[in-house]
Amino acid sequence: EPEVTQTPSHQVTQMGQEVILRCVPISNHLYFYWYRQILGQKVEFLVSFYNNEISEKSEIFDDQFSVERPDGSNFTLKIRSTKLEDSAMYFCASSDPGGTQYFGPGTRLTVL
Amino acid sequence: AQSVTQLGSHVSVSEGALVLLRCNYSSSVPPYLFWYVQYPNQGLQLLLKYTSAATLVKGINGFEAEFKKSETSFHLTKPSAHMSDAAEYFCAVSDTGTASKLTFGTGTRLQVTL
Repeated sequence: EPEVTQTPSHQVTQMGQEVILRCVPISNHLYFYWYRQILGQKVEFLVSFYNNEISEKSEIFDDQFSVERPDGSNFTLKIRSTKLEDSAMYFCASSDPGGTQYFGPGTRLTVL
Repeated sequence: AQSVTQLGSHVSVSEGALVLLRCNYSSSVPPYLFWYVQYPNQGLQLLLKYTSAATLVKGINGFEAEFKKSETSFHLTKPSAHMSDAAEYFCAVSDTGTASKLTFGTGTRLQVTL
């Protein structure tokens, strides 16, 4: 069964460093998303992406964040200068034409 | 703006007992509603979804949910709990079927005891 994959599973970085989180969506999906879950809190929407541009973004998704689909398979989230409060689990999702979102296993980002 | 309220951050049931996890939503348009399950150290797995068809929706692992517009509810049930059902359950709402963000509730942790 097709699934969304994410790498790495765990990323540790120093405050102020740039990180890139990678996702491979399900191959025939056209809509892509990033969410995050701070430990013990609910899952929060960051950004949606369609046709090589951002469809919607939340107030969390400020200038420090960017997304890209560099090729036909990968979807990336970049954080330019990480802060302690960026520590969270980051989930990638992709949706089928019916709109159901399928999530990857997540990347745990730890900012020291 | 949409929102989801999940009553009860922790629910404990005995194995074999009925599972009832509550979800109420707020939406200005007919909603699409979802239940996801998160097992420890894993991602979110879709349990079931409501997309304006049948109001009683059946999902995986014996779970089902009923959409009640008059009560703005979408409660998740399972007739008989199993130890393997222990996990965190999230209710989510979106306002359209395509490319629309999901707004999640705070989650309910289900504990199943012997």
